[in-house]
Amino acid sequence: NAGVMQNPRHLVRRRGQEARLRCSPMKGHSHVYWYRQLPEEGLKFMVYLQKENIIDESGMPKERFSAEFPKEGPSILRIQQVVRGDSAAYFCASSPGQGAFGEQYFGPGTRLTVT
Amino acid sequence: DAKTTQPNSMESNEEEPVHLPCNHSTISGTDYIHWYRQLPSQGPEYVIHGLTSNVNNRMASLAIAEDRKSSTLILHRATLRDAAVYYCILRDGASGTYKYIFGTGTRLKVLA
Repeated sequence: NAGVMQNPRHLVRRRGQEARLRCSPMKGHSHVYWYRQLPEEGLKFMVYLQKENIIDESGMPKERFSAEFPKEGPSILRIQQVVRGDSAAYFCASSPGQGAFGEQYFGPGTRLTVT
Repeated sequence: DAKTTQPNSMESNEEEPVHLPCNHSTISGTDYIHWYRQLPSQGPEYVIHGLTSNVNNRMASLAIAEDRKSSTLILHRATLRDAAVYYCILRDGASGTYKYIFGTGTRLKVLA
């Protein structure tokens, strides 16, 4: 059973460009979570999605960031007009259901560098 | 903000047991205690979780204090592959909350 897949693993963008990060959850998982990790810090929750629905985006910056999880295909985290402060590792996790009992399965992350 | 407190770093010798402490003095009755670890350049990996009773699985053991204000993750025989950052996280079972609030964790160094 393949784990959570993220691509690309490394992404370099110049300031002002757009970054698109993709996440394919584990088979059978319909819940996706995005986290951001700055260097030497813990992960910070960004957004929680189910198929075609954003459930909680309380951790998303108000501007330039958006996320989607369409009926078909991977979940996408989109960052418009990137700035140097967006440089970080972005992790996606999935779970078969919501709730506090079961674990989330994390992908290997996408490391975004803004030059 | 994270509701747990962990030492920044710890060292252990290979093949010896490791006890990673976590303080959570403001824990509520419905908070589950989760442990994850993050190996270098990888995403976090689930280790173990519990509510009140001690828990064992193939990776580790979780010892929970009687008052639940602290817990200890026990690796019975540390290997070099256990070198990672270990996160202790509380998650509220009553509200069904799903988001993990990560602190800075404990960086475990395993000496050969």
